[in-house]
Formats: sequence, C-alpha cells, structure tokens
Amino acid sequence: QLLESGGGLVQPGGSLRLSCGATGFSFSTFAMSWVRQAPGKGLEWVAAIPGGGGSTYYADSVKGRFTISRDNSKNTVYLQMNSLRAEDTATYYCAKTTGLGYSYAHDAFDVWGQGTMVTVSS
Amino acid sequence: EIVLTQSPGSLSLSPGERVTLSCRASQSVRSNYLAWYQQKPGQAPRLLIYGASTRATGIPDRFSGSGSGTDFTLTISSLEPEDFAVYYCHHYGSSPITFGGGTKVEIK
Repeated sequence: QLLESGGGLVQPGGSLRLSCGATGFSFSTFAMSWVRQAPGKGLEWVAAIPGGGGSTYYADSVKGRFTISRDNSKNTVYLQMNSLRAEDTATYYCAKTTGLGYSYAHDAFDVWGQGTMVTVSS
Repeated sequence: EIVLTQSPGSLSLSPGERVTLSCRASQSVRSNYLAWYQQKPGQAPRLLIYGASTRATGIPDRFSGSGSGTDFTLTISSLEPEDFAVYYCHHYGSSPITFGGGTKVEIK
C-alpha cells in the first residue's frame, strides 16, 4: 500500500514537498515513480528513482525544478517541487514498479497511492 | 517521444457486451513494453495488463491484451457493471515513458 501526503495550495514560484509512505512490500527492492494527472486530463509520468536510490530520472517538463528522493529506512519516497507553475496543478500519485521492465525508469506500475492534490494558484 | 493514440475516445455499451479498445503507437514499442490501466472516478489507476498481454495479479480473465509493434488492443470479453471506467495504455520501452489519452467506457 502507498499513502501520499503533502499536497495543498501554493502560489506560483513556491515550493512543496510530497511524501509517499509504503507498506506491505520490500520497499528497497523496487523503483518508485511519481505520476501526475491534471484535473480532467490524462496521466503524465514525472520522475523515477531506483530501489537503492542514487540515480534519478525526470520528465523534461519538471527537470531542474523537481527532485525525487527516497529514505529506505523510513519506506518513504519524496518529491520536492520548486518553482511551481500553474501547469503543475494536478493530483500526484506515487507508484511502485513491477520490477519487470527494462530499467528503473522504464517499467509498469502495479501499486498506486490514492493521490495528493497540488494546486498552484495566486 | 512515442505518442500513444487511443480510440475510440469514448463509447457507450451495455453490460454483457464485448469491447475492444485500441492503442496505436507512433513508433514501434520495444519488446512489447505496453501496459493497460483502468481508472474509476476519484480513484488511482489500476494495472490490468503489462508486457502487452500478461494479466496483473488478481485481474479477471475477461480482460485480455494483445498486439505488438505499433498496434495494441485491450479486450473485455463481457462487460461487468464495475468495468465502466476510463482505460489508459502506457508504453515503457523507451524514454520518455508516456500514456495514451484514454478511452472512456460508459453505460448505455
């Protein structure tokens, strides 16, 4: 199970940190991603991190502004979001990979959190 | 970037009907790294199919996936009331991974 927190209303240019706590599986074994969904729109992958941490991978739309990290001792993955824009408004989901893709950033997602809403508006 | 085009955008069907959803990729999807998800209003997506044709754990066998290269299909053999939802395809065979725009399956 995955449980996100940290969403809310933030002004353009502001920052927010999302957290996602994991239970029920060997957290450090699996890569994790953040996927977002703007209101009434489709899904957009945002960022990925391997099970052991270290390397990271980002969508071009957030590169240089967002940072994904994880703390395996706390079974938690984070998304630090800086320089937020109106177009970042979305529900943000954390998602566990299947481990069957060809890399940590290229995999399907078999467990999803319930999502946390981020609204960027003045 | 591989663009996934799903068709139709929406359709209205009755319980018990068979439905076939299409996902067409702008380039060949490496090693059939193609997944399908179901999303109901207010809920997170749920993985149905990965590797183009492998059902995820706990997914009923009325759901099946097929296809290769650029053309993929999700079939629901007989619609149950709980199947009315939006369905997304997702490729993860190259960078960046992307999702299709979705197909909404509504009750007629």
